[in-house]
Amino acid sequence: QVQLVQSGAEVKKPGASVKVSCKAPGYSFTGTYMHWLRQAPGQGLEWMGIIDLRGGRTTYGQKFQGRVTVTSDTSTSTVYMELNSLRSDDTAVYYCARGLGGLHYFDLWGQGTLVTVSS
Amino acid sequence: DIQMTQSPSSVSASVGDRVTITCRASQGVSSLLAWYQQKPGKAPKLLIYATSTLQSGVPSRFSGSGSGTDFTLTISSLQPEDFATYYCQQPNSFPPTFGQGTRLEIK
Repeated sequence: QVQLVQSGAEVKKPGASVKVSCKAPGYSFTGTYMHWLRQAPGQGLEWMGIIDLRGGRTTYGQKFQGRVTVTSDTSTSTVYMELNSLRSDDTAVYYCARGLGGLHYFDLWGQGTLVTVSS
Repeated sequence: DIQMTQSPSSVSASVGDRVTITCRASQGVSSLLAWYQQKPGKAPKLLIYATSTLQSGVPSRFSGSGSGTDFTLTISSLQPEDFATYYCQQPNSFPPTFGQGTRLEIK
């Protein structure tokens, strides 16, 4: 069964950076979009950004502009999300999710990565 | 950004009940709307997209309707595994945005 596998939980100090990976073993990323979203504890879902895996073009949410970078390594079917200048309110579960066809519905999700920002 | 507002925020129901959740967009999203189910500690699961198209493997007791700014998710006969939080989402314009969620609890 196709699934996305994310890296493990992280604990970071304020001001640090975190890089989360998302891999699809046995599944070719080519021709799809991959999104990153997050969910703070007890809160709803927030979209962060997207990468077009055909050419690497990215688009980020305005809230995250300048702090987030999404990259991909198509040779390993892995997508990365790096968030810089972490604050306590960045504490959340971060998800990668595949875009359905060329649409921005999310049909396949990673299991989530908890990032805790605490001094 | 398009704001998505769900109602109710929470609802209590019994197995076998029919439940309807509504979602209103702050501006028209055509028929581009999805519904997700999320259980505690798990990633969301896509149930319905394009307002009424069931994702593969989703039981037929789930249905969606609406257009423009007003949409509904209906569960025709609640099963024990349906107790979860439900989110609507619009992909029509960037950024994709979600409703705040509706928690469906056992009565």
